[in-house]
Amino acid sequence: DGGITQSPKYLFRKEGQNVTLSCEQNLNHDAMYWYRQDPGQGLRLIYYSQIVNDFQKGDIAEGYSVSREKKESFPLTVTSAQKNPTAFYLCASSIGGGPDTQYFGPGTRLTVL
Amino acid sequence: KNQVEQSPQSLIILEGKNCTLQCNYTVSPFSNLRWYKQDTGRGPVSLTIMTFSENTKSNGRYTATLDADTKQSSLHITASQLSDSASYICVVSAGRLAFGKGNQVVVIP
Repeated sequence: DGGITQSPKYLFRKEGQNVTLSCEQNLNHDAMYWYRQDPGQGLRLIYYSQIVNDFQKGDIAEGYSVSREKKESFPLTVTSAQKNPTAFYLCASSIGGGPDTQYFGPGTRLTVL
Repeated sequence: KNQVEQSPQSLIILEGKNCTLQCNYTVSPFSNLRWYKQDTGRGPVSLTIMTFSENTKSNGRYTATLDADTKQSSLHITASQLSDSASYICVVSAGRLAFGKGNQVVVIP
């Protein structure tokens, strides 16, 4: 897990509620990423950010939002517009973008009740 | 569309035995290939990384091979231990990362 922390580890929310997942890194990495992992599927990219105050949509950004106000922090908000939010969410960071090795946090399991 | 296919999807092996996991990819242009280990409920941890010019890389009991011509990689686990029970994910870099679905390995005593 290195210097990347995610909180909380487990999160429950009711349908129609927004929820924010925290991701913090102390590795001085420029790039940060959010992935979603579902059983039997590969990781899918939600959003990524290569520098502060800039971020781009990944493959499945609908229903999610992010911010990158600080280099160390990249919170993910799961909005009520996300139709099937129950999943395991992983945050990662890398020195730069592109081919650099990504280091993953421990993950947050979100369950919608 | 870039694709990374891993096989077998899952396998059960006896403690102390060896096993080999396969990864075939179609992504291009190829930059590097990584194998990650993911314990249940945890984040993936990098095991090996290989560039185009490398054909083998070891990390303890884990040995990865790469054939860039046939676009195939394998991960060999030697003398498996109970702690090797995990999902092993092949990740290919071609600009953006392409993830395989993982090989689920269960080591039994």
